[in-house]
Amino acid sequence: LAKTTQPVSMDSYEGQEVNITCSHNNIATNDYITWYQQFPSQGPRFIIQGYKTKVTNEVASLFIPADRKSSTLSLPRVSLSDTAVYYCLVGEGTGGFKTIFGAGTRLFVKA
Amino acid sequence: SAVISQKPSRDICQRGTSLTIQCQVDSQVTMMFWYRQQPGQSLTLIATANQGSEATYESGFVIDKFPISRPNLTFSTLTVSNMSPEDSSIYLCSAETGMNTEAFFGQGTRLTVV
Repeated sequence: LAKTTQPVSMDSYEGQEVNITCSHNNIATNDYITWYQQFPSQGPRFIIQGYKTKVTNEVASLFIPADRKSSTLSLPRVSLSDTAVYYCLVGEGTGGFKTIFGAGTRLFVKA
Repeated sequence: SAVISQKPSRDICQRGTSLTIQCQVDSQVTMMFWYRQQPGQSLTLIATANQGSEATYESGFVIDKFPISRPNLTFSTLTVSNMSPEDSSIYLCSAETGMNTEAFFGQGTRLTVV
């Protein structure tokens, strides 16, 4: 499983766009990139998943360059309720299924 | 999607005793997993709960300490055996429905061993 590297923490203000970058230099051909969000006292929650280029849903966008060695989670116009830990995961596309978590990024959104 | 219920949500246990945590999914799922999360830390995978066969444990976790059952496609249990204060943690159950699909998580069981 490819190892991921993320910033330990980030600060932002309400209404700003937040971009969290994840490095995964050893990503394999079949690997997908998935991001989860975790609030205190809750289990992680799926945000977005992608393989290449750009993926957008109602919550976030995921940008993946052509070499796929990194990815950037973009949260538009964050609010205080977006304060959480964000995990970047890289998983095998064949078999396995198991989800391995890295250290994550603690995002603090200030008023 | 899948909704996961864990019981108990929290417990305080005496050292040397065992606690069984239940995980119920509201639909049939392919895979079920158990994680441990220390306060302020990331999640560590304990094992994959295999339906109808022995669980697959990650390095550092053994069946004698963390026996796991999965009698069907919607239910699993994790037992924390012969507990010590070092076992104090949050234990989370998760489920996946297939390859490259999202993982769904329960709310976790906060265990304190005294």
